[in-house]
Amino acid sequence: AQTVTQSQPEMSVQEAETVTLSCTYDTSESDYYLFWYKQPPSRQMILVIRQEAYKQQNATENRFSVNFQKAAKSFSLKISDSQLGDAAMYFCALRQGAQKLVFGQGTRLTINP
Amino acid sequence: EADIYQTPRYLVIGTGKKITLECSQTMGHDKMYWYQQDPGMELHLIHYSYGVNSTEKGDLSSESTVSRIRTEHFPLTLESARPSHTSQYLCASSGTRSSNYGYTFGSGTRLTVV
Repeated sequence: AQTVTQSQPEMSVQEAETVTLSCTYDTSESDYYLFWYKQPPSRQMILVIRQEAYKQQNATENRFSVNFQKAAKSFSLKISDSQLGDAAMYFCALRQGAQKLVFGQGTRLTINP
Repeated sequence: EADIYQTPRYLVIGTGKKITLECSQTMGHDKMYWYQQDPGMELHLIHYSYGVNSTEKGDLSSESTVSRIRTEHFPLTLESARPSHTSQYLCASSGTRSSNYGYTFGSGTRLTVV
């Protein structure tokens, strides 16, 4: 069975600083995809970044990057130069092939001005 | 612009009423999903569909029902609403070719049963 664990229910960071959100997962497959989703307050959930398990290079999208450690089954999200608009719930998710996404419990990120 | 739409955005309804939450997508995605999001914000899959006339129950037991008569439409119905049904309901979709890209989510319906 696939599981995704986010051990930080809440995180906060000063504006313009860097923050890292943690995620660990468990799967028996070698081919899978990992995602980070962002859900701003009362707004639509959107995809932030994705990582293919077969790629060793960590994915990067502007200020967002991941640290993918396949052997450790760890997939953390780093947000650089934090902005007030980054405040949201962040969900880590795992997907094997065409199967359903499995989500973590979420981390609420607060940005302090 | 291709997207996924949920209506209504907010709904307050009395106990015992029948309600239908609408979800439509314009992307031609074959897979659609309903999630219930509790106050702690954790997501629970309650229903999913892999195509027309195909529906399955998710990981969390729910008194709601769904139908998939058309590819683009995946409504969720509660025959008799109760206060315990108060929650946020999120609809999502994914296509075979876009399976690597995760899901596209709607804006959600926040349901309050009084």
